[in-house]
Amino acid sequence: DQQVKQNSPSLSVQEGRISILNCDYTNSMFDYFLWYKKYPAEGPTFLISISSIKDKNEDGRFTVFLNKSAKHLSLHIVPSQPGDSAVYFCAARDSGGGADGLTFGKGTHLIIQP
Amino acid sequence: DSGVTQTPKHLITATGQRVTLRCSPRSGDLSVYWYQQSLDQGLQFLIQYYNGEERAKGNILERFSAQQFPDLHSELNLSSLELGDSALYFCASSVGRTAGGYTFGSGTRLTVV
Repeated sequence: DQQVKQNSPSLSVQEGRISILNCDYTNSMFDYFLWYKKYPAEGPTFLISISSIKDKNEDGRFTVFLNKSAKHLSLHIVPSQPGDSAVYFCAARDSGGGADGLTFGKGTHLIIQP
Repeated sequence: DSGVTQTPKHLITATGQRVTLRCSPRSGDLSVYWYQQSLDQGLQFLIQYYNGEERAKGNILERFSAQQFPDLHSELNLSSLELGDSALYFCASSVGRTAGGYTFGSGTRLTVV
């Protein structure tokens, strides 16, 4: 049972335009959501996060939106740059217990075209 | 360099064998996490250690085990290896329950032949 779903395995966007990556979740106990970016042959790197008490968090070109009622979050990248080409993972943390294990989606491969 | 060091980077071994993957966390981080990324799969949480003690278990097989030593480095032991165990194994570390999540190492690519 996949609790975090990224339904688009890949996304192609023109340089300078907006990239929108989507993520859906099913577990109501998730209280924190994160986006990670991964280049080939490297480990994932933290990009941006959002608490469940907020609906938007912005950091430079990156904005994450959270719609709790729809159990949906999205990452907006504006404007998209060639260096943004990578695999993006959505992740969520369960509010229960003291463990910090994150549940990841399968990732979306973003390709920025010149 | 993320500060999390994983060795070896690549490992090729035969079915039925046992291997040990090593992880040194970022300086000051007390938590170590192990994740597995198989083909077409997301990152699957295996296990977490905090300051030497097991904190949480995810989808870790009984053939797999881990430990965290007093110097905080961690080892993931995989035994009776099967072809399906071929994957990227990532280690991550954190101070604790932080807003920034984890810092990942660059992974160990295990190929079982």
